[in-house]
Amino acid sequence: GAGVSQSPRYKVAKRGQDVALRCDPISGHVSLFWYQQALGQGPEFLTYFQNEAQLDKSGLPSDRFFAERPEGSVSTLKIQRTQQEDSAVYLCASSGQGAKGSPLHFGNGTRLTVT
Amino acid sequence: RKEVEQDPGPFNVPEGATVAFNCTYSNSASQSFFWYRQDCRKEPKLLMSVYSSGNEDGRFTAQLNRASQYISLLIRDSKLSDSATYLCVVNGGNTPLVFGKGTRLSVIA
Repeated sequence: GAGVSQSPRYKVAKRGQDVALRCDPISGHVSLFWYQQALGQGPEFLTYFQNEAQLDKSGLPSDRFFAERPEGSVSTLKIQRTQQEDSAVYLCASSGQGAKGSPLHFGNGTRLTVT
Repeated sequence: RKEVEQDPGPFNVPEGATVAFNCTYSNSASQSFFWYRQDCRKEPKLLMSVYSSGNEDGRFTAQLNRASQYISLLIRDSKLSDSATYLCVVNGGNTPLVFGKGTRLSVIA
């Protein structure tokens, strides 16, 4: 497909489980972003990659959150020992330009529910 | 003060009405400004970029006021299909795009 693809669409995890969320950006897009969106809130920045380099991870809420993009295309966001406050929609976005001020193309998101 | 602030609404307007949203930002170094639209349980989608001179796209007009650090979105002749949450998005120098919480619009028949 031509758009950003995320999987799974929905994930239910028991508190304490580890989860891995996948993002497949638009082909050729160098910049990839992860955002977290809680109900009724705007997306909150988590981390940003340019190709395989993680240039900014200032938004990751704790050391339980880890993201990687080893080959500069697909990215995985991993959350260890999930907590109820991790329940949110996790949005991945990509941009064709390296500049952080470029518009983003979002995937459908992964809705994580921690029980 | 949050980096990007918006009135959450909801704004309930009749079809055909004109409605305007404002958004303020705190980082005076911000260079890029956008409005995104988000439908319920969907991902945000770019509505329009905001340029210094102001810009129009059909029924939508966006304006930027750097001195007062706010951007606005005007929607004319509202349609039922305009009902959504409108997200103000700003980048600030070296920081990634920062989203406001969004303003909810309901257009009523």
